[in-house]
Amino acid sequence: DGGITQSPKYLFRKEGQNVTLSCEQNLNHDAMYWYRQDPGQGLRLIYYSQIVNDFQKGDIAEGYSVSREKKESFPLTVTSAQKNPTAFYLCASSIRMSFGEQYFGPGTRLTVT
Amino acid sequence: AQKVTQAQTEISVVEKEDVTLDCVYETRDTTYYLFWYKQPPSGELVFLIRRNSFDEQNEISGRYSWNFQKSTSSFNFTITASQVVDSAVYFCALVYNTDKLIFGTGTRLQVFP
Repeated sequence: DGGITQSPKYLFRKEGQNVTLSCEQNLNHDAMYWYRQDPGQGLRLIYYSQIVNDFQKGDIAEGYSVSREKKESFPLTVTSAQKNPTAFYLCASSIRMSFGEQYFGPGTRLTVT
Repeated sequence: AQKVTQAQTEISVVEKEDVTLDCVYETRDTTYYLFWYKQPPSGELVFLIRRNSFDEQNEISGRYSWNFQKSTSSFNFTITASQVVDSAVYFCALVYNTDKLIFGTGTRLQVFP
């Protein structure tokens, strides 16, 4: 089955630690995205990548980093510089970044205490 | 500025009632796309529909229908004969020339048996 996987579903970390969230897709999509969702808010774009070895900052990139070494994978690192890291993180992909619909993974709920 | 407004934070209905979720958007671009996504309690966003700015025809898919009116910058979503399984958060989104999705804050729909 084609789709997007994110692991783990729930993640707990202590403040001051970096943590990496994984996102893998087997849809052969060129574009991948990371969003953050907070209660009562819509999704906000953190980073996106249109092609392997290339990525751009979204609206709230501070305190996050990404890599795109393989077409299938787009891991997100939440660094200790991110002031409010506790949130629900969603990864998405689309065939290409041009008005196409995005397909979402199941999300990772990160809790930092 | 590009913006999507979903003024209804939460709607509660009883099964079999019809319900309309409102979406109002702002953009200066003449070419844009509008989307609706469903987010069930599991968290994964599910794509429902994409509509481009040049196609104002209404769309019907089973119990779902969408009304796109450029004159009022609205893209409303109606569920006919609602069911408990329709309970979810529904997001309206806009993409314009930046190719980045802008989401509304979502409407939580609760359908009671």
